[in-house]
Amino acid sequence: DAGVIQSPRHEVTEMGQEVTLRCKPISGHDYLFWYRQTMMRGLELLIYFNNNVPIDDSGMPEDRFSAKMPNASFSTLKIQPSEPRDSAVYFCASRPGLAGPYEQYFGPGTRLTVT
Amino acid sequence: AQSVTQLGSHVSVSEGALVLLRCNYSSSVPPYLFWYVQYPNQGLQLLLKYTSAATLVKGINGFEAEFKKSETSFHLTKPSAHMSDAAEYFCAVSDRHNNDMRFGAGTRLTVKP
Repeated sequence: DAGVIQSPRHEVTEMGQEVTLRCKPISGHDYLFWYRQTMMRGLELLIYFNNNVPIDDSGMPEDRFSAKMPNASFSTLKIQPSEPRDSAVYFCASRPGLAGPYEQYFGPGTRLTVT
Repeated sequence: AQSVTQLGSHVSVSEGALVLLRCNYSSSVPPYLFWYVQYPNQGLQLLLKYTSAATLVKGINGFEAEFKKSETSFHLTKPSAHMSDAAEYFCAVSDRHNNDMRFGAGTRLTVKP
């Protein structure tokens, strides 16, 4: 298995531009999570999906952020318009849907820089 | 809601010395507990997890952790640090009844030669 795949690995954009981050979870995993990591705030859960349905988006910082999961193998996190304070590393993670002590599997992350 | 507290944002040890990274949890129900490691410019990867089968859990790279209910702790240890252990370590707790996993703030481990 290739693991969780994220693209791009690095993104540099100017303030005001739209940014789209992409994630392919591990095949067969029913849960998908989006996290943001910064020095100041550490690792923050933004949103998670179960069977492609958003379950908890309380961590999404504001309306400029949106996430979709059109099918079981693809999810996007969009920031429009982007701001310098959005600069961070964004991680996608997935896990099986079975009840039990299943860990989350993390992708390599997308390092976003907004200038 | 469950939570974890990692004591010490930075820990520095000499190569060959004992590594001890502290984690205390708060949970109203018996939790699942995890330790993850993050190497520079990489995602988080699982070191080990506690699922109630045994209180002493062995993980990868020589790490282990002991679940102590009386102390609500799940500290991570390694008898002898190696330079390659330098990384950030995260403790996490998950409720048995839902899928909400909460991460600690992380502890950055430095290993001195």
